Order: sequence, then C-alpha cells, then structure tokens
Amino acid sequence: AQTVTQSQPEMSVQEAETVTLSCTYDTSESDYYLFWYKQPPSRQMILVIRQEAYKQQNATENRFSVNFQKAAKSFSLKISDSQLGDAAMYFCAYRSLFISNFGNEKLTFGTGTRLTIIP
Amino acid sequence: DGGITQSPKYLFRKEGQNVTLSCEQNLNHDAMYWYRQDPGQGLRLIYYSQIVNDFQKGDIAEGYSVSREKKESFPLTVTSAQKNPTAFYLCASRLGTYNEQFFGPGTRLTVL
Repeated sequence: AQTVTQSQPEMSVQEAETVTLSCTYDTSESDYYLFWYKQPPSRQMILVIRQEAYKQQNATENRFSVNFQKAAKSFSLKISDSQLGDAAMYFCAYRSLFISNFGNEKLTFGTGTRLTIIP
Repeated sequence: DGGITQSPKYLFRKEGQNVTLSCEQNLNHDAMYWYRQDPGQGLRLIYYSQIVNDFQKGDIAEGYSVSREKKESFPLTVTSAQKNPTAFYLCASRLGTYNEQFFGPGTRLTVL
C-alpha cells in the first residue's frame, strides 16, 4: 500500500517570501500522480498543482511549483511571493495512474502542513 | 455554475440515530467519493462509486452505507454502528480516468 508523509505539521513564512513544504511517499508503482491540495479555513479542498510521475519536468502554476524527485520519492511544494491568502492547510496526495476495481481508485493523503503567513 | 454541493453544512445527531449526508454534482462527472477528515489526520476514503448503481468500500467503510441511483447524487448514511462518527465529511467527484478529484464544501457532523 502507498503511504504519504508530511513531516512538517506547521510552517510559517513572512509575506512576500518563499516557503517550501515537504512531502515524501512510498510506492512500488512506477506510474502515478501526485497532487498538492490547499484547505483554507472554509475547509474546501482546492487543487493547487498536479504532477505526473512519467513527466520529468516539474509542474508549475503561477507562484506554485514543485520539486519532484522520483528516485528519492520526494515531492515538495514551493510557494513564491507568499500572500495572506495562501494561509491554509496543505495536503500532499498520491494516486495510481491506472484505475481498476482493485482499490487503487483512491487518493492517499498525508497528514497536512498548516501554513501561516506573517504580515 | 457547475460544482459539488453538500448539505447541510453542520449536522447534529443524537447517539444511536442514523443520519444521511447529501452530495450532489452537476459536473457530469462519472466517479464520486466520500472522505472523512479528523483532526491531525489526512482524508480517509469511506466509499467510492465509478458508475451508477455500483460502489466500492474504501478504507473505513464500517458503519457507513451509500447509494448511487443517479449520476448526480451520492448520499452517505452514517449508521448507529459507526462508533465515532463526529468528523468532517467531504464528497468529491472525478471526470474520466486520468483527471483529478474535485471536492465539495463538506459537512461537519457532531454526535451529541
């Protein structure tokens, strides 16, 4: 079974600075997806960024980028020019590439990192 | 606007009662999911459904039941057999095989 580990329960960053959130995972599969989701105080889960394991290029979405190290099974999220609206819980998640009826349909989540933005 | 709606936002229930949480989507998504979120933990999968009239147990299905009679709707019933039902419940849906899941706003269930 796959596992996802987020070793930083809480992080803080000064507004306009850059912060990196860590995520490691364990899997025996070679093809999969990795995601970062944001959960603000409203508690709605919002997709931040997605990475396909077969792609070597790191995904970017505006101020958000990832550092995907497949061999090390590491998937960190970098937030540049941090804004007050970035304050939230951030969850790293794993999903198998191919979906079948054998239990690989689900997203496996880490325990989250609470990010605080200091004005 | 397309999206996923969950109702109610807050729900209170007396111990020993069954309660049903609603999840509706107008995104024409094929698959739907129910997750449970507890403090200090990530989301855990309760049930999922890839097509109408079919659903599969997730990691923590005991004490829960679902139905999928329509593509748009995937209600979750929390039964009295669920030992610790107080939690935040999130519904999600997905279009196609390779796409990410989109989440509803969630329902906070409190057992009194």
